[in-house]
Amino acid sequence: DQQVKQNSPSLSVQEGRISILNCDYTNSMFDYFLWYKKYPAEGPTFLISISSIKDKNEDGRFTVFLNKSAKHLSLHIVPSQPGDSAVYFCAASAGAQGGSEKLVFGKGTKLTVNP
Amino acid sequence: DTGVSQNPRHKITKRGQNVTFRCDPISEHNRLYWYRQTLGQGPEFLTYFQNEAQLEKSRLLSDRFSAERPKGSFSTLEIQRTEQGDSAMYLCASSPWVAEPYNEQFFGPGTRLTVL
Repeated sequence: DQQVKQNSPSLSVQEGRISILNCDYTNSMFDYFLWYKKYPAEGPTFLISISSIKDKNEDGRFTVFLNKSAKHLSLHIVPSQPGDSAVYFCAASAGAQGGSEKLVFGKGTKLTVNP
Repeated sequence: DTGVSQNPRHKITKRGQNVTFRCDPISEHNRLYWYRQTLGQGPEFLTYFQNEAQLEKSRLLSDRFSAERPKGSFSTLEIQRTEQGDSAMYLCASSPWVAEPYNEQFFGPGTRLTVL
């Protein structure tokens, strides 16, 4: 069963516009959520995170929103740049409540930012 | 470079052979994780160490897989009697221990295993 779902395999946006990547989860024990960016032949790179006690976290051009009631989170990138083109993974952890440090990942969304 | 390092970066082996991968975490990170990623999927958790203690193992980690972290520093992942289904990218990550449990994990570049 896929506990973390990224339903859009790909997304294409124009440079300077907003990119919105979505993620849904099913496990109510998840209390910490992360976004990673991955380039080909490299390991995932941490981007931004949010704990379940917050509904928004911002870091420069990147903002993550969490809607606990809907079990949904999204990553906003504004403005999008060609260098943002990569695969973005949503991940979740049940560390505080579930006693597990492991991350559960979605399948990823490939973002392409066109110049 | 003070990031997570993994060796080798690529490994090609024949079915039935044993392989061993090494991961060197970021210095002073006492938590170390192994994940496996196959094409079109996100990374899947395999196992996790805090210092030298292996605290959690996934059902994905069959009896042919063994991981160690003998001195709480580097870790090795061994796969015995490899099968074609073991072909994947094996990722290692580390994180520091702090008072709160909300720690991001820092990933290495991975070891790509191809079993012929």
